[in-house]
Amino acid sequence: DAGVIQSPRHEVTEMGQEVTLRCKPISGHDYLFWYRQTMMRGLELLIYFNNNVPIDDSGMPEDRFSAKMPNASFSTLKIQPSEPRDSAVYFCASSISPLAGVSNEQFFGPGTRLTVL
Amino acid sequence: AQSVAQPEDQVNVAEGNPLTVKCTYSVSGNPYLFWYVQYPNRGLQFLLKYITGDNLVKGSYGFEAEFNKSQTSFHLKKPSALVSDSALYFCAVRDFGGANNLFFGTGTRLTVIP
Repeated sequence: DAGVIQSPRHEVTEMGQEVTLRCKPISGHDYLFWYRQTMMRGLELLIYFNNNVPIDDSGMPEDRFSAKMPNASFSTLKIQPSEPRDSAVYFCASSISPLAGVSNEQFFGPGTRLTVL
Repeated sequence: AQSVAQPEDQVNVAEGNPLTVKCTYSVSGNPYLFWYVQYPNRGLQFLLKYITGDNLVKGSYGFEAEFNKSQTSFHLKKPSALVSDSALYFCAVRDFGGANNLFFGTGTRLTVIP
């Protein structure tokens, strides 16, 4: 299995531009998570989906951020317009449903390093 | 509310010595506890988890962790540190009755000195 795939790995853009980050979860996983990592704030959960449906988006910073999961094998995180403070590493992770209450670990992608100038 | 505390931002240990990375947690019910490791420019990698059963959990790369309910702790340990263990370590918790998302600590940077 190729694991969680994210693209692009690096993105440099100018303030005000639209940025789209992409994620392909591990096949068969029905949970997908988007995280943001910065030195100042550490690892933050932005949003997560179950069976393509957003479950909790309370971590999304503001209306400039949006996430979609049109099918089980693809998700996007969009920032429009982008700002310098959005510079961070964005991770996607996936997992399978807990069985009989047993929690299953999340598998992380390599991340997208976003720099907004 | 669920939370995790990693009291040490940085841990230094000499190669060959035992290492401990500390984690304490807070949940309303029974906890599911996890340790992840992050190497430079990489995503987080799963090391081990505690769900139920034996309080001593063994994981990847020779790491283990001990669940202590009375102290609400889940410290990560390894008997003999390697230089290659140098990385950022995250503890995470999920409430048994809660949603399937994890609450991560702020991370502890482990440096193993040759």
